Amino acid sequence: EIVLTQSPATLSLSPGERATLSCRASQNVSSYLAWYQQKPGQAPRLLIYDASNRATGIPARFSGSGSGTDFTLTISSLEPEDFAVYYCQQRSNWPPITFGQGTRLEIK
Amino acid sequence: QVQLVESGGGVVQPGRSLRLSCAASGFSFNSYGMHWVRQAPGKGLEWVAVIWYDGSNKYYVDSVKGRFTISRDNSKNTLYLQMNSLRAEDTAVYYCARDELYGGNSNWFDPWGQGTLVTVSS
Repeated sequence: EIVLTQSPATLSLSPGERATLSCRASQNVSSYLAWYQQKPGQAPRLLIYDASNRATGIPARFSGSGSGTDFTLTISSLEPEDFAVYYCQQRSNWPPITFGQGTRLEIK
Repeated sequence: QVQLVESGGGVVQPGRSLRLSCAASGFSFNSYGMHWVRQAPGKGLEWVAVIWYDGSNKYYVDSVKGRFTISRDNSKNTLYLQMNSLRAEDTAVYYCARDELYGGNSNWFDPWGQGTLVTVSS
C-alpha cells in the first residue's frame, strides 16, 4: 500500500499570502496524484488531478506540481474561502486507492 | 446539474447489517464508475470500494473485503453499499463519488454526495 504523507499538518496564513502544501508518496506514483479541498460540514471537492490538471471550475490560483514521490499544491493568493482542509490522493498502485492525512489551512 | 444523494445511514449494533444507497441524477449514470469513500469522525478520508460503469469489476479496501458489497442498478440510477458484520471501526460518514472519467475509470472522485453517517454502537 502506498502511504501519502502531507506536510505541514497545519498551515497558518493570511488572506493574500501564498500557500504551499506538500505531499510525499512512499513509492513512485508517477503523475497519478490528485488534490481535494474539504470545508467543515461539506464533502470534498476535486481541485487537481494527474498532479497538475485543474478540475472543471477550479480557479487559476490553484496549481499543482511534482511527479514521482514529491508533489506540491500552491495557492497563489489566498482568498477567505480557501481556508479548509486539503487532501492528496494517489491512484498509481491500487487497490487500495489512498489519501494523505490532510493539511489544515487556517487563517492567521 | 450533477447530483448524488446518499441515504440509509443510521445507528446499528456491532455485527448487524446496513445498506446504503446513492441516487444519481443529472448525468449518464450508466457511463461512469462509482466509488464509496468514508470518513471517520474527525479523521481523514478512506477509499472503500469502486464499481465499473457496467458493474463488471469491483474492488475493495482490505478492511471491508468479505463484509461489504458494492453494486449498482443502472435502470434506477442508483449505487448501493451492502455492509454486513459491522464493526465499531466502520463508524463514519460514507460518501458516494462519481469517477471523473466518462466511459472508463480514472479513480479521481468528482463530484461527491453530501454523505450519510453510519454509527456502529451497542
